[in-house]
Amino acid sequence: DAGVIQSPRHEVTEMGQEVTLRCKPISGHDYLFWYRQTMMRGLELLIYFNNNVPIDDSGMPEDRFSAKMPNASFSTLKIQPSEPRDSAVYFCASSQTGDYGYTFGSGTRLTVV
Amino acid sequence: SQKIEQNSEALNIQEGKTATLTCNYTNYSPAYLQWYRQDPGRGPVFLLLIRENEKEKRKERLKVTFDTTLKQSLFHITASQPADSATYLCALEKGYSTLTFGKGTMLLVSP
Repeated sequence: DAGVIQSPRHEVTEMGQEVTLRCKPISGHDYLFWYRQTMMRGLELLIYFNNNVPIDDSGMPEDRFSAKMPNASFSTLKIQPSEPRDSAVYFCASSQTGDYGYTFGSGTRLTVV
Repeated sequence: SQKIEQNSEALNIQEGKTATLTCNYTNYSPAYLQWYRQDPGRGPVFLLLIRENEKEKRKERLKVTFDTTLKQSLFHITASQPADSATYLCALEKGYSTLTFGKGTMLLVSP
């Protein structure tokens, strides 16, 4: 298995633009998580899905953020419009039900100028 | 509110020594706790899981302890090597297979 695949690896965009981050989880994993990492706040859970259904989006900072999981092999995190304070590394992770470790992707480094 | 504390200062040790990292938490009663390693520019990598009814877990040169009374976990790397240099994150289960992560402690192992 190639692991969790995220794209793009880096994204630089201007304030106000729409940004879409993509994630392909590991086949057979029924949980998918979106985290954001900054030096100040560490890893923060934004939203997670179980069997493609959003379960808890209370970590999504604002209505500008939205996430979808149309099928078991693909998820997107969209920011519209983007702001400089959204600059961070965004990670996608997947896992199986139970007390298993997460498998993280390599992340997308987002810079909003 | 729930809080996880890991030493924000980097831990510097010499090769061959045992590194010990600490994770303290408040207002949690996690069913399990996990440790991850993160290298610069990469995502965290799962290392070990320890359940609330387990006192100690080992994997090769790694050892984790979990004291639910003290609300503390210790992470040990024995016979440390420069390749062990990384940031180590502890993560606590908060229900429904979700985790809350600490900010991590950077470990630097010098030759």
